[in-house]
Amino acid sequence: GEDVEQSLFLSVREGDSSVINCTYTDSSSTYLYWYKQEPGAGLQLLTYIFSNMDMKQDQRLTVLLNKKDKHLSLRIADTQTGDSAIYFCAEIGQAGTALIFGKGTTLSVSS
Amino acid sequence: GAGVSQSPSNKVTEKGKDVELRCDPISGHTALYWYRQSLGQGLEFLIYFQGNSAPDKSGLPSDRFSAERTGGSVSTLTIQRTQQEDSAVYLCASSFASSTDTQYFGPGTRLTVL
Repeated sequence: GEDVEQSLFLSVREGDSSVINCTYTDSSSTYLYWYKQEPGAGLQLLTYIFSNMDMKQDQRLTVLLNKKDKHLSLRIADTQTGDSAIYFCAEIGQAGTALIFGKGTTLSVSS
Repeated sequence: GAGVSQSPSNKVTEKGKDVELRCDPISGHTALYWYRQSLGQGLEFLIYFQGNSAPDKSGLPSDRFSAERTGGSVSTLTIQRTQQEDSAVYLCASSFASSTDTQYFGPGTRLTVL
């Protein structure tokens, strides 16, 4: 079945880089997404990557996609305390309607 | 409006009561989605509306759950005879035209069933 896997926790120090990893199962996914959720808030779209790309950079965010291994990563450069949140990886499911989410990675940034 | 809005932000109800949750999508977005976020299950798809097409209800967990979308805009998710396991945050999202367009989420409704 469709599944998206992420590690559950990541702890970094302010100023370091954070790398959040994700694996997915549906090789036909056209887009892959990263969403951020702060405590008590909804999901905020961070960035997305089209499946024919290997990399996308957006300010402090770098997304790497390895289609062969079905592996997606999100790198946050110069991580700040305001980056502390839960990060969700998501793909469009085979039915082409719903997003399939991972369980989320809780990023904790200490000063 | 500027973003997806949902109401109420919090709802506490007693087991067995019916509840209605409302979603107002981004103006001009024809696709609307409901998801549920709970501790044990993570984020789960519930239902998808696209224009005037029949909705994709494949994610609804039981026949106690239903949703409608009037006039192609506002949507209401109804849960009948609520159970404690229905306690979760219910998230609504909308996208411009289809599910391959980026989905933008509302702040959610936190439902607590006592």
